[in-house]
Amino acid sequence: AQRVTQPEKLLSVFKGAPVELKCNYSYSGSPELFWYVQYSRQRLQLLLRHISRESIKGFTADLNKGETSFHLKKPFAQEEDSAMYYCALSGFSGGYNKLIFGAGTRLAVHP
Amino acid sequence: EAGVTQFPSHSVIEKGQTVTLRCDPISGHDNLYWYRRVMGKEIKFLLHFVKESKQDESGMPNNRFLAERTGGTYSTLKVQPAELEDSGVYFCASSLIPGQGAYNEQFFGPGTRLTVL
Repeated sequence: AQRVTQPEKLLSVFKGAPVELKCNYSYSGSPELFWYVQYSRQRLQLLLRHISRESIKGFTADLNKGETSFHLKKPFAQEEDSAMYYCALSGFSGGYNKLIFGAGTRLAVHP
Repeated sequence: EAGVTQFPSHSVIEKGQTVTLRCDPISGHDNLYWYRRVMGKEIKFLLHFVKESKQDESGMPNNRFLAERTGGTYSTLKVQPAELEDSGVYFCASSLIPGQGAYNEQFFGPGTRLTVL
C-alpha cells in the first residue's frame, strides 16, 4: 500500500535550535518525494523535492531508500519557519500521478 | 500570474443541500487535481483531470460527488446532497504535462472551506 507517515503532529523548538521533521513512506516502486509547506493564511506550496537535491530556506532532505525515509532538516530554526509541513510522494509514471500526503507536522519556532 | 484560484473561499450549508466548488487552474496547465482535508486528517486525493478527461477518480468518496472540467479549462466539484462528513477543506491543484516545464510540481489553490451543518 502507498502511504506516507509523519509521526509528529507538533514539533516545538526555540529559535536557533536544529529541526528534523520525520517522514517515512511505503511504496512499491520508485516514488518521487516532496515536502510541501503551508504558512499561516497562505496556500500550500512546494518546499523541496528529492530529485533536485537542493537546499531551500536552509532546509534539506535526503531520500534514504533503505530506511524509506525523507526527513526534513534545518540546522538553525527561525521564527518564520513556523508553519504546517507535509511530506508527500508521487509515483513515477509520466508525471500524471496524484500526490499522497502525510498527516502533516506543525512546526512552532519560539523566540 | 494569479495562480490557481478557487471559489468560494468559504461555504456553509445545511445537510441535504447542494454545493458547487469551482477551480480555475493556471493557464496552460492540462493537469488538474482535487484534494480534500477533513479535520485532523491528511490531505487526500479525490480525482485528476488531464484536459477535460478524468484520468483517475479513485479518490472520490461516493456518487454524491460529481466533478467536471468543461473544455479543459476550469473545473467544478458538486456535492449533492451534502452530508456532515463532507465538511473539510477542498484543494485544487494544477500542473503542466511533463515535457513542457517543471516536472510534476503541483501548484495549489487557496482551498475552499466547506462546513455542512
